[in-house]
Amino acid sequence: AQSVAQPEDQVNVAEGNPLTVKCTYSVSGNPYLFWYVQYPNRGLQFLLKYITGDNLVKGSYGFEAEFNKSQTSFHLKKPSALVSDSALYFCAVRTHPSSNTGKLIFGQGTTLQVKP
Amino acid sequence: DVKVTQSSRYLVKRTGEKVFLECVQDMDHENMFWYRQDPGLGLRLIYFSYDVKMKEKGDIPEGYSVSREKKERFSLILESASTNQTSMYLCASSLRDGGRDEQYFGPGTRLTVT
Repeated sequence: AQSVAQPEDQVNVAEGNPLTVKCTYSVSGNPYLFWYVQYPNRGLQFLLKYITGDNLVKGSYGFEAEFNKSQTSFHLKKPSALVSDSALYFCAVRTHPSSNTGKLIFGQGTTLQVKP
Repeated sequence: DVKVTQSSRYLVKRTGEKVFLECVQDMDHENMFWYRQDPGLGLRLIYFSYDVKMKEKGDIPEGYSVSREKKERFSLILESASTNQTSMYLCASSLRDGGRDEQYFGPGTRLTVT
């Protein structure tokens, strides 16, 4: 069965420190992987995606993610956290490689808290 | 800029009422999706549509139906609302390009069923 796991419900980091939000996946075939962010009382906003090519993907607001096929992971990273990065982060993977519908499976979400 | 709008930000309904949630996108996207979001469970797909009048069940379709009469509009219907349908409902849209395109989300509707 295809799945996405975010092993941490919450990540706490001090402003200016590097941050990592973890994501692992289980999917048949080559995965398409996505990260979204949700600020309070808002919809989800797209951050970045891995489709193919370079394993290090750069996205919005200074975030990046590294695709690691051997570890089936797609961790979200930022070199220097800002208080304004505090939000709920979701990892997602496209289901069934041959599907044309773009259906996604989402992880349960990780709350990032950046303290001044 | 892609814009996905939802008819209400907050909605309070009584048990047994029929509830309509509307979603409109302005980017001519083929795919549209309805999710519900609950704490600790992430987003779960209720229904999706890949074309006008086409729909497929997602992971949790029970108690819901959908309608897509026009390409830009995708409606979620709760035939007889129940308290366990209290949740945040999110609509999204995307291009039909093999799943490479990201989904664009609306602001969400927080539904409370009393």
